[in-house]
Amino acid sequence: DVKVTQSSRYLVKRTGEKVFLECVQDMDHENMFWYRQDPGLGLRLIYFSYDVKMKEKGDIPEGYSVSREKKERFSLILESASTNQTSMYLCASSLWDRGAPHGEKLFFGSGTQLSVL
Amino acid sequence: DAKTTQPTSMDCAEGRAANLPCNHSTISGNEYVYWYRQIHSQGPQYIIHGLKNNETNEMASLIITEDRKSSTLILPHATLRDTAVYYCIVSLGQNFVFGPGTRLSVLP
Repeated sequence: DVKVTQSSRYLVKRTGEKVFLECVQDMDHENMFWYRQDPGLGLRLIYFSYDVKMKEKGDIPEGYSVSREKKERFSLILESASTNQTSMYLCASSLWDRGAPHGEKLFFGSGTQLSVL
Repeated sequence: DAKTTQPTSMDCAEGRAANLPCNHSTISGNEYVYWYRQIHSQGPQYIIHGLKNNETNEMASLIITEDRKSSTLILPHATLRDTAVYYCIVSLGQNFVFGPGTRLSVLP
């Protein structure tokens, strides 16, 4: 069965700390995504990556960076965590099928609820 | 990517069909309609997608109007486990913008 695994289900950090959120997929997917989800705002795309060492900004990249050193792993980094980054963070992956220009469906992890105090 | 409009919430009786509408009047010719759902405390789950023909799989049916400006997701026999937020997304397939969705409550 396909799987996207996020390293922590719940995380509590202090303001100013550097935070790493890890995501691993076992489906050999090219595309990986980081979203955050807040009540009333839905899911918002932070960053995505189409290949190893490639990254693209999403809609709300400020205050975040990402790393994709291996195909199966996509890390979200909060360089200096702030209270307004308290949120549910969701990682997803998809397969880019060049023969199907509509792409492929997203597979999501279970999410990491991050609280910044 | 085109924007979608969905009702904020809907109720459905257990065992009955749930019909969830979505308007996407600005959809372009090569954009697909995708449906996802999110059960509480979990990541969103893919349900179905289509371009212009109606589609059916083991989870649901997708009916797209001929002008492609709206669609309906049909859960033929809703169960309590179908209670979730349902997202309708129009996309070329590489970038998915999730709106607030429709909160479906399946009632016993």
